[in-house]
This record gives sequence, C-alpha cells and structure tokens, in this order.
Amino acid sequence: DVKVTQSSRYLVKRTGEKVFLECVQDMDHENMFWYRQDPGLGLRLIYFSYDVKMKEKGDIPEGYSVSREKKERFSLILESASTNQTSMYLCASRSTGTVNEKLFFGSGTQLSVL
Amino acid sequence: AQSVTQLGSHVSVSEGALVLLRCNYSSSVPPYLFWYVQYPNQGLQLLLKYTTGATLVKGINGFEAEFKKSETSFHLTKPSAHMSDAAEYFCAVTDNSGGSNYKLTFGKGTLLTVNP
Repeated sequence: DVKVTQSSRYLVKRTGEKVFLECVQDMDHENMFWYRQDPGLGLRLIYFSYDVKMKEKGDIPEGYSVSREKKERFSLILESASTNQTSMYLCASRSTGTVNEKLFFGSGTQLSVL
Repeated sequence: AQSVTQLGSHVSVSEGALVLLRCNYSSSVPPYLFWYVQYPNQGLQLLLKYTTGATLVKGINGFEAEFKKSETSFHLTKPSAHMSDAAEYFCAVTDNSGGSNYKLTFGKGTLLTVNP
C-alpha cells in the first residue's frame, strides 16, 4: 500500500527556532508537495519539487525553504519560526505521467510556535 | 490563473438526506477538477476527478459530481448521507499548464456534518 509518512504528528517549537519537517514516500514518485492547512483558508501550496534537487515556489513560500536530496524525502525548513507559522502542514506526492495521477497525502504535522 | 470557490464553509444534513456541496472554478483553459475528502486526523484522499470525456463522474462511497462548463461548476452530490460521510471536502482545479508537473489549487473546504 502507498505511503507518505510525516515524521511528527505534533510539534511544539519556540519563536526563532529553526524547524525541520520531514516527509518520506515509498512510491518512487517524482513530484512532492508541501501545503499548509488553516481553518477557513483551505490548503495553500508552500513549495513543490518535481524531481531530486528541483524545486519551485508555491503560493506562500515566504519564511520557508525546502530540500530534496533524495527522491523519497522532501524536507520543509522554517529558518526562524514565527507564531504565524503555527499551522497544520501536509505533505503529498504524485507520480508524473498524466493528469490522472492522484496526490497521496501524509497525515499531517500540527506545528505550534510559541 | 486558476481558482476555486466553495460555497458554504459548513453544510449540515440529516442522515439519509441529499448531500450537495458546491464548487465553482475559474480557469483560462479547460480545467481538470477534483474532489478530495479529509476525515478527522487524516490526510486527504481522492474522491473523484474530471479530466476529459463524460461530464458526470462517479467516485468512491456513492459520491458523484457533474462538470458544467456553462456554469463553471463541479458540484458534489450523494443521494443519501451516511454518518460516516462526516468530513471536510475540498474541491481542486488544475489547468495542466505545467504539463506532467501540474499543481493543484484547492478551495477553502466545506465541513459536512451528518445528524442522526
């Protein structure tokens, strides 16, 4: 069965800390995504990687960076966490090919920045 | 640019009643449209999708949606709600301009509550 695994379900960090959110997929997918989910705002794309070492900014990249050194792993980095980055973070992956390929989502990481 | 508007952030129905979740899209080219569902404490899963062909699309768990180009809509329906349908539903669109590396734009979500 397909799996997208996010390393932590809940995370509490302090303002100014550097935060790493990890995502691993076991499906050999080329595309990987980071979204944040906030009540009333839905899912907003932060960053997108279409292959190893390839990345593209999404709609809200400010305050975030990403790393994709291996195909199966896509990391989201908060360089200096702030309280407005308190949110649910969702990782997803997808095989390329056709638009029929669906996104597979992880269960999410609820990050609280105090 | 593409966008999605979901009318109604919260819909409440009785068990056995019709479920109707509304989605309107904006896209400069023919869109591809999706509905995803998120059950409590889980990630999103695909319910159904429209890419080309038949405009009435059937998905999992008895849901279906109809693509209406003239109304720029892709509303999700289910004839008879079940308690297990309680979840948050997201409509999403892509114009496939990125080729095989397309990105989805999601709506803000509609929380469905099913009352006994």
